[in-house]
Amino acid sequence: NAGVTQTPKFQVLKTGQSMTLQCAQDMNHNSMYWYRQDPGMGLRLIYYSASEGTTDKGEVPNGYNVSRLNKREFSLRLESAAPSQTSVYFCASSEAIGSYEQYFGPGTRLTVT
Amino acid sequence: AQSVTQLGSHVSVSEGALVLLRCNYSSSVPPYLFWYVQYPNQGLQLLLKYTTGATLVKGINGFEAEFKKSETSFHLTKPSAHMSDAAEYFCAVSDDNTGNQFYFGTGTSLTVIP
Repeated sequence: NAGVTQTPKFQVLKTGQSMTLQCAQDMNHNSMYWYRQDPGMGLRLIYYSASEGTTDKGEVPNGYNVSRLNKREFSLRLESAAPSQTSVYFCASSEAIGSYEQYFGPGTRLTVT
Repeated sequence: AQSVTQLGSHVSVSEGALVLLRCNYSSSVPPYLFWYVQYPNQGLQLLLKYTTGATLVKGINGFEAEFKKSETSFHLTKPSAHMSDAAEYFCAVSDDNTGNQFYFGTGTSLTVIP
């Protein structure tokens, strides 16, 4: 039982390049989330998927797109990376919405130069 | 809108001393409250949570937190700090109005002095 896995662990992009961050969970959870973590700002929600087939914007969605590929996988795409997107990205999953705790992956450290 | 305030971005305590990390929230309906811990270069792990019922919640590693509705607080405590407690701690809130969204505080970095 690996929990929530993310790939890659580290990535350096040049401004304007695109990339996809992958996330998978093996806990049969319905809901999945993408956050970014920046110093002094805590975690901010980018997008979430309440259940397979649905996605919704969070607090900071601009510059990102997501795909809920199936129940296990939820990917985050940066179409044209900008230095402001330099951050640590975390994927999380939960059994359902509301009172259920979220389980986090180890994170992807992204630098955009 | 929901929000979480963590007072003190950095807290230092001596080994064996009381740990107190403060969290205040705003929510228009009964909240669900969480404390997470993050060790360097790792993801977040759940320490404890409050949803309903007993307002004093016990978590892992000897931590506990008390939900005080009148003070809109959910402070995290541990009677005796260990070196291994050094980490970043995040308070988070959600409720039935936020649906899927957690709102995290900005975090408190705990240093334990030997």
